[in-house]
Amino acid sequence: GNSVTQMEGPVTLSEEAFLTINCTYTATGYPSLFWYVQYPGEGLQLLLKATKADDKGSNKGFEATYRKETTSFHLEKGSVQVSDSAVYFCALTGSDKIIFGKGTRLHILP
Amino acid sequence: DAGVTQSPTHLIKTRGQQVTLRCSPKSGHDTVSWYQQALGQGPQFIFQYYEEEERQRGNFPDRFSGHQFPNYSSELNVNALLLGDSALYLCASSLGQLRYNEQFFGPGTRLTVL
Repeated sequence: GNSVTQMEGPVTLSEEAFLTINCTYTATGYPSLFWYVQYPGEGLQLLLKATKADDKGSNKGFEATYRKETTSFHLEKGSVQVSDSAVYFCALTGSDKIIFGKGTRLHILP
Repeated sequence: DAGVTQSPTHLIKTRGQQVTLRCSPKSGHDTVSWYQQALGQGPQFIFQYYEEEERQRGNFPDRFSGHQFPNYSSELNVNALLLGDSALYLCASSLGQLRYNEQFFGPGTRLTVL
């Protein structure tokens, strides 16, 4: 069945560092791919999405490219801020339900 | 414009009891999905309601049931609670069932089973 694997955390970076959180997926057909973010004490928020191969999703300085050849959707940001500290979830939709990865906790040190 | 709201915020129950969680979708949304998020894990899909019917279901036992009302709000019911049911229960709403439609999540209900 469909599945999502993302790098385990926590990931700790200094402010203004470059961020990569790896995500790979297994799916039949052509899923849509998402990154969600969960700030402490809050629900999940959609960060970005891509609905077909080679699409690049972007939002708030974060980017991810849908790579069908490597079945990946890695999240990147050129310069992280303390306010980016949160848990990030990679997800895909196949047949109308979302499958989430386990999440990667990100700590940004000032 | 109110987003997705859930009630209650926190709940403590004992094994064997029954619980009902409630969700009001974002204004204009007609589809509600429920997720269980155990500590340190990603959300697991429970089921989805559209037009007052269960349309999709994840790998959860029949102890988990739900309902959607004509105003699109929804309830999640869990019978015969087990310790393992302790989790954050998230509700998400969307417009229609298309797989690429954005789902908006509520803050969740934290259920503790003792």
